Amino acid sequence: QVQLVESGGGVVQPGRSLRLSCAASGFTFSDYAMHWVRRAPGKGLEWVAVMSYDGTRKYYADSVKGRFTISRDNSKNTLFLQMNSLRPEDTAVHYCATEGVGYFGSGSYAYHYMDVWGKGTTVTVSS
Amino acid sequence: EIVLTQSPGTLSLSPGERATLSCRASQSVNSNYLAWYQQRPGQAPRLLIYGASSRATGIPDRFSGSGSGTDFTLTISRLEPEDFAVYYCQLYGSSPPYTFGQGTKLEIK
Repeated sequence: QVQLVESGGGVVQPGRSLRLSCAASGFTFSDYAMHWVRRAPGKGLEWVAVMSYDGTRKYYADSVKGRFTISRDNSKNTLFLQMNSLRPEDTAVHYCATEGVGYFGSGSYAYHYMDVWGKGTTVTVSS
Repeated sequence: EIVLTQSPGTLSLSPGERATLSCRASQSVNSNYLAWYQQRPGQAPRLLIYGASSRATGIPDRFSGSGSGTDFTLTISRLEPEDFAVYYCQLYGSSPPYTFGQGTKLEIK
């Protein structure tokens, strides 16, 4: 079945780095754009970054731009999030998710939503 | 930047009752780009609705979405115990490309 498993979370001091991984199985990973989304304690969901199926396009939330880098290895069915210059406000459960596939407008336009989600990995930034 | 505002912040209802959750955009949006998610405590979010009104695979038909322009609604016709959770709307736009509302907590009365 379709499965996403995040790893790499942990406790880290402010200013340090962490690399998250998301291992995909049960579907053709290289066909799907992939997201990172996070939820800080006591707060709502925050979209972090998205990468196209082939890795050529990526977009970031303003809150992480210049500090985080999304990447993927389609040969290993794995998505990554390199997190540098971490701040206490980056403390959150980080989820990876597939972009949903579907079209409207006689197939001319794609829907854009997060379809399958992993269970998340927790990042805590604290001194 | 388009802001999504969900209301109410918390909704207290009993099993069997009807729930109506609102998501309002700060400007008119394409309804095809509006989705709803459910997040139960300790679990990952789950896609419920995409394209404002299309149910995702496996979602019970007591969940329905509607709306256009700036006002969107998620309706749960008869609440089951497992429906008590936090619900988020999400929009695909230009900058940032993806935005979530702040969430509505649906709690047992």
